[in-house]
Amino acid sequence: DSGVTQTPKHLITATGQRVTLRCSPRSGDLSVYWYQQSLDQGLQFLIQYYNGEERAKGNILERFSAQQFPDLHSELNLSSLELGDSALYFCASSEGTSGKGEQFFGPGTRLTVL
Amino acid sequence: GENVEQHPSTLSVQEGDSAVIKCTYSDSASNYFPWYKQELGKGPQLIIDIRSNVGEKKDQRIAVTLNKTAKHFSLHITETQPEDSAVYFCAASKQTGGFKTIFGAGTRLFVKA
Repeated sequence: DSGVTQTPKHLITATGQRVTLRCSPRSGDLSVYWYQQSLDQGLQFLIQYYNGEERAKGNILERFSAQQFPDLHSELNLSSLELGDSALYFCASSEGTSGKGEQFFGPGTRLTVL
Repeated sequence: GENVEQHPSTLSVQEGDSAVIKCTYSDSASNYFPWYKQELGKGPQLIIDIRSNVGEKKDQRIAVTLNKTAKHFSLHITETQPEDSAVYFCAASKQTGGFKTIFGAGTRLFVKA
């Protein structure tokens, strides 16, 4: 158990819909990272937040957005869902933003878009 | 663009043999190279990492080497065991105000008993 929690574990929805994925980092970690893992794209970095502020951005679509709240939990919002958005979404956390500490990954949320 | 290539995509070894996975990165600004192990149904877990000011690092049966000039880094697992069977990912990270990590496509390792 990494100490990072993600909810829900599974999510099934239809095209065009909007969903919210939630992540709680390890106690004491200030950075939260979101990743998308699909069969054809591998593990893709989406975005990083540190203490409530966006710090780094990867290949995140405009239909996707994230935020980190004062209690440090984070939410990833996916809207206008397409079939290709079906994937595993992982959240990871680390102590700081400098990368000196390892990233601890949660168990993931499996999103299926029908 | 930024890219990390990982080879092989699948690797099958006999228990007790060594396994080697190789990665190449494109962004010369990368300065941190972690390796993750992902078991079925779980998130990736860090197994070893190396920084750009170090050429080699070892932790028991696992070692990583880095050639910054050639932009190559490799994972070596010795005396493999069936529980080493998993998907292994290399990654290259750089600091950009935050911390951006690019992952390789993964290597599925099978260790046959």
